[in-house]
Amino acid sequence: AQSVTQPDIHITVSEGASLELRCNYSYGATPYLFWYVQSPGQGLQLLLKYFSGDTLVQGIKGFEAEFKRSQSSFNLRKPSVHWSDAAEYFCAVAGGADGLTFGKGTHLIIQP
Amino acid sequence: SAVISQKPSRDICQRGTSLTIQCQVDSQVTMMFWYRQQPGQSLTLIATANQGSEATYESGFVIDKFPISRPNLTFSTLTVSNMSPEDSSIYLCSVAGGTAYNYGYTFGSGTRLTVV
Repeated sequence: AQSVTQPDIHITVSEGASLELRCNYSYGATPYLFWYVQSPGQGLQLLLKYFSGDTLVQGIKGFEAEFKRSQSSFNLRKPSVHWSDAAEYFCAVAGGADGLTFGKGTHLIIQP
Repeated sequence: SAVISQKPSRDICQRGTSLTIQCQVDSQVTMMFWYRQQPGQSLTLIATANQGSEATYESGFVIDKFPISRPNLTFSTLTVSNMSPEDSSIYLCSVAGGTAYNYGYTFGSGTRLTVV
């Protein structure tokens, strides 16, 4: 069965600084990988996804993620964070026609 | 991507009662998914609902507790039965869009359930 590990429960970043959120997955075949963001009281919004091809994927809101098969990782990055980026971030993996398996999430705090 | 309408958006229910959550999609989709998000936790897949067949439940979830209907390709319901305070969670429906799910998975805005 697939699994996702987000090792950082909380991350605090200063506004304007760069950000990297870690995600490691376990899946036997080529995974479908996703990053979602959930703001307080809001639903889930898809930031970006990886299915195949270029291992560096661009998403919305200036986010990008890099798929590294050798490291089973799909880390999310942003060069300069804004206060509005404060939210919960979830990495998820899908296997074929299955639903998603989510990591436990990383809570992002932005310091002024 | 698909647009999902989920209702109710929130409810407060008495223990021992049941609540049915509705999920309406603006396009036909093969597979619909139901998730639970317990307070402060991540999302856990409850079941996959295909039109015309029985829902497939994940480990730890049973049909008697979470019966699901999928009468057509745009609609599904999840019932939370015989509720207890431990069922207080956000319940979300989701669909996978496009060929080979190229459009990713879209989520409804969720139903925030409080059981008292």
